[in-house]
Amino acid sequence: SQQGEEDPQALSIQEGENATMNCSYKTSINNLQWYRQNSGRGLVHLILIRSNEREKHSGRLRVTLDTSKKSSSLLITASRAADTASYFCATDWQGAQKLVFGQGTRLTINP
Amino acid sequence: NAGVTQTPKFRVLKTGQSMTLLCAQDMNHEYMYWYRQDPGMGLRLIHYSVGEGTTAKGEVPDGYNVSRLKKQNFLLGLESAAPSQTSVYFCASSRAAGEQFFGPGTRLTVL
Repeated sequence: SQQGEEDPQALSIQEGENATMNCSYKTSINNLQWYRQNSGRGLVHLILIRSNEREKHSGRLRVTLDTSKKSSSLLITASRAADTASYFCATDWQGAQKLVFGQGTRLTINP
Repeated sequence: NAGVTQTPKFRVLKTGQSMTLLCAQDMNHEYMYWYRQDPGMGLRLIHYSVGEGTTAKGEVPDGYNVSRLKKQNFLLGLESAAPSQTSVYFCASSRAAGEQFFGPGTRLTVL
């Protein structure tokens, strides 16, 4: 399976701290995406990084991609209570029209 | 725009019963997907469609059928429900093999 794997499975930090989540995958990709899921809700797209990009920013989010190590990281800076959610990475098979999701990192921000 | 909507939101079935889950999107997206999410796991792709009248199998297609008769609708059918199909089902759509937009989910329990 090409399923990505997130690390850690769960992360609990204090509000204001930075949160880093990692994702590893197995085969070549065109792009890697990160999604957020609040409890009981559908997934919401956060950011897409292409295989020829190394870093991308969106507001308080920073994503890096290392294709040589087949890994990506998501950094959330200055965390807020509203960032409490599960975060998933998703990869595409090269040329495929579908995504494969990892099992997610459950992030808890403590006030 | 409503985005991606799913009907129903909740359903309880008895083993052997059948049902159809409806997904509708108003973004004129070509691609549509059905996923299931089980506790502590990421999303697993059941079936997907890259255009009206076309469908393809995903990672876990057994026990499910789909139809895409209209571009805006993607139906997921369970012909003979089993307890192993108790899950939360998510529909998603996308313009191409990029950012996916998710519905709110259908929570299905099979007794």
